[in-house]
Amino acid sequence: DTGVSQDPRHKITKRGQNVTFRCDPISEHNRLYWYRQTLGQGPEFLTYFQNEAQLEKSRLLSDRFSAERPKGSFSTLEIQRTEQGDSAMYLCASSPIRGAWGETQYFGPGTRLLVL
Amino acid sequence: GESVGLHLPTLSVQEGDNSIINCAYSNSASDYFIWYKQESGKGPQFIIDIRSNMDKRQGQRVTVLLNKTVKHLSLQIAATQPGDSAVYFCAENMGGGATNKLIFGTGTLLAVQP
Repeated sequence: DTGVSQDPRHKITKRGQNVTFRCDPISEHNRLYWYRQTLGQGPEFLTYFQNEAQLEKSRLLSDRFSAERPKGSFSTLEIQRTEQGDSAMYLCASSPIRGAWGETQYFGPGTRLLVL
Repeated sequence: GESVGLHLPTLSVQEGDNSIINCAYSNSASDYFIWYKQESGKGPQFIIDIRSNMDKRQGQRVTVLLNKTVKHLSLQIAATQPGDSAVYFCAENMGGGATNKLIFGTGTLLAVQP
C-alpha cells in the first residue's frame, strides 16, 4: 500500500501529557498537510510543509502544537500539555506540486486522540 | 457561517437510485474543488475534482457540476449502492499561490437503503 500512513491510529492520554503523531506521505509528494477533525465537522487546516519548509500555519495551531518535517519526508505533530479540547481526529494529507489538474490532497487514515 | 455540529444534513436514497449532494462554497476566488467520501473511522477518500474553468466533469458513476455564479457544487452518484453510504464533503482551494489549504464544507450523510 503506497498511500499516506499515520501512526498511531488511536491515542488515549491524560490531560497535561505530551503526545506525538507521525505521518508518512506518498513517497513522491512534496507537500504535506495536517488537519484536525472533530465529530460531525469537516477537517480544519492546521499547517502544511513544502519539502522541509513549513509554509503556512493556522491560528488553530496554538503554541502547544508544533509540527516538523526535518528531511522533507515524514512529519511529526506534537501537542504539549494536552487539554480535553484537543480530543479529535488528526489527519495528514500529501500532494504533489500543483500540476495541470490542481493539487489533489490524499489523506491518511488519521490518528484519533482522546484526552481524559 | 452556520455550525451544523452533530446534526449532519442527511440524504436517504434507495439502492439503484441516483443521488445528488449539494454544496455551497465560500470564496469566489477559489479555483479548485474536490469531493471526498469519508466512512466512519477513516480518512477522507478522494472521489473527483474540478477546476474553475470547467462546469462539469465526469468520472465512473460520479459527476461533479460547478456553478460559479452562485458558488455551488453538486455531486451526482448514479445507481447508488450500499457501499456509497458515507459522509460526503466538498472542499475548495483558492490556489493561485495564495494558500494551499483546503476549506471543507459541512458534509452530507448519504444513507443508502437496500
